[in-house]
Amino acid sequence: KQEVTQIPAALSVPEGENLVLNCSFTDSAIYNLQWFRQDPGKGLTSLLLIQSSQREQTSGRLNASLDKSSGRSTLYIAASQPGDSATYLCAVRISGSRLTFGEGTQLTVNP
Amino acid sequence: GAVVSQHPSRVICKSGTSVKIECRSLDFQATTMFWYRQFPKQSLMLMATSNEGSKATYEQGVEKDKFLINHASLTLSTLTVTSAHPEDSSFYICSAREAGGAGGGAEQYFGPGTRLTVT
Repeated sequence: KQEVTQIPAALSVPEGENLVLNCSFTDSAIYNLQWFRQDPGKGLTSLLLIQSSQREQTSGRLNASLDKSSGRSTLYIAASQPGDSATYLCAVRISGSRLTFGEGTQLTVNP
Repeated sequence: GAVVSQHPSRVICKSGTSVKIECRSLDFQATTMFWYRQFPKQSLMLMATSNEGSKATYEQGVEKDKFLINHASLTLSTLTVTSAHPEDSSFYICSAREAGGAGGGAEQYFGPGTRLTVT
């Protein structure tokens, strides 16, 4: 059974700092991995999708990497801003349809 | 990115009544739709997966007669909570995905969620 773990569970940083969120998964036979952002009381916003054949994806200040063999992904946020405060979720898709989610990292960027 | 809408965003109903939540993919055809439930400060729990024109596949422990899912078209899925009870109060989120996707799998998009409160 696929298990997804995110570390840390919560993170508080000053504005402007670069930061890394970690995601690990137990079954390396994945189709893809997605990083999402969730604001309180809202749905999920897809940030980046990495296919199993890819090593990384970039969008603006966000960079996500994928190391399938070690079962790890990182989400790098450059020059963090207060508006980046949210819960960040990683999810992996294995065979079939379902995504398996981690528990999330709650990020607070202090002005 | 693609947009998924949900309606209503909030609903309050009395115990014993039924509530229908709609999920629409606005600018793509969703061959597969998902319904999730989320409790406060917890991650998403998959309730069921539905493919257009087929019966939904429910996760273990989810009562299919209580949570009725219909995916009658490529842009619309509905979740009906029948005979709702206070313990059904939760945040329900739908998700949609189109077929294919380069290299392995299509991106999955999520709706804004529906807050259900059963009194």
